Amino acid sequence: DAGVIQSPRHEVTEMGQEVTLRCKPISGHNSLFWYRQTMMRGLELLIYFNNNVPIDDSGMPEDRFSAKMPNASFSTLKIQPSEPRDSAVYFCASSTTGGDNEQFFGPGTRLTVL
Amino acid sequence: AQSVTQPDIHITVSEGASLELRCNYSYGATPYLFWYVQSPGQGLQLLLKYLSGDTLVQGIKGFEAEFKRSQSSFNLRKPSVHWSDAAEYFCAVGRRGGNTPLVFGKGTRLSVIA
Repeated sequence: DAGVIQSPRHEVTEMGQEVTLRCKPISGHNSLFWYRQTMMRGLELLIYFNNNVPIDDSGMPEDRFSAKMPNASFSTLKIQPSEPRDSAVYFCASSTTGGDNEQFFGPGTRLTVL
Repeated sequence: AQSVTQPDIHITVSEGASLELRCNYSYGATPYLFWYVQSPGQGLQLLLKYLSGDTLVQGIKGFEAEFKRSQSSFNLRKPSVHWSDAAEYFCAVGRRGGNTPLVFGKGTRLSVIA
C-alpha cells in the first residue's frame, strides 16, 4: 500500500530558478497539506486543500509561492523565482474525511537554493 | 492562538532508561493530540494519538502518552529506551472533527547513549 509520494527527494538549484515540487496523496484521501520545515521555524503549514479546493493559503510566504491540485491524486508546489531563504524540507501530507485528523506524511523534498 | 510547546530541545538518555518528553498546548477547546517521530532524512510517522476517552493512550514501539486536561499537557513516555529510538519527536494538535492543519511543536531531539 503506497504512502504519500513526493518528488524529487532532493533539489539543488540556483537563486532565481523555478522549482516545482510534486506530491501524490494516498488514494482515497481528500485532504492534502503542504508543510515546510526549517531549523528556525519548525514545521509550518503553507497551504491545504479539501477535495482539490484550496482552503487556507495564509501560510504561503509570498507571491513567489503557488500551489495547485488539478485532481485528487496530484498536487504541485511551485516557487518562482527561488531564493536562498526558501531552502528547507517541504512535506506533503494527506488525510481522509471522517478520520480523526490523522495526517500521513510523505518523505519530504529537501530544497537547497544556492 | 493555537500553539504547542515542547520545552526540551534535546534530551540524552542511556539505553534501557526511561523517557518522558514534555508537551503543552494552548487551544480553544480540547483538541485531538498527536505524537509523531522523525528519523533523520525521513518523513513523520505517527506514534500515537488522543481523540477522546481513556487519557492514557498506547502507541507503536512501546510508547504511551497521557492527556491531562487540567495541565494542557500530553507527555510522551517509554519505560525502556532502545538505541533505535534516537530521533526527533513532535507533538501536534488538531481541531476535532475536521480535516484541518495540525499545529506542531518545535520538536525534541532524542539521543540514546550506551
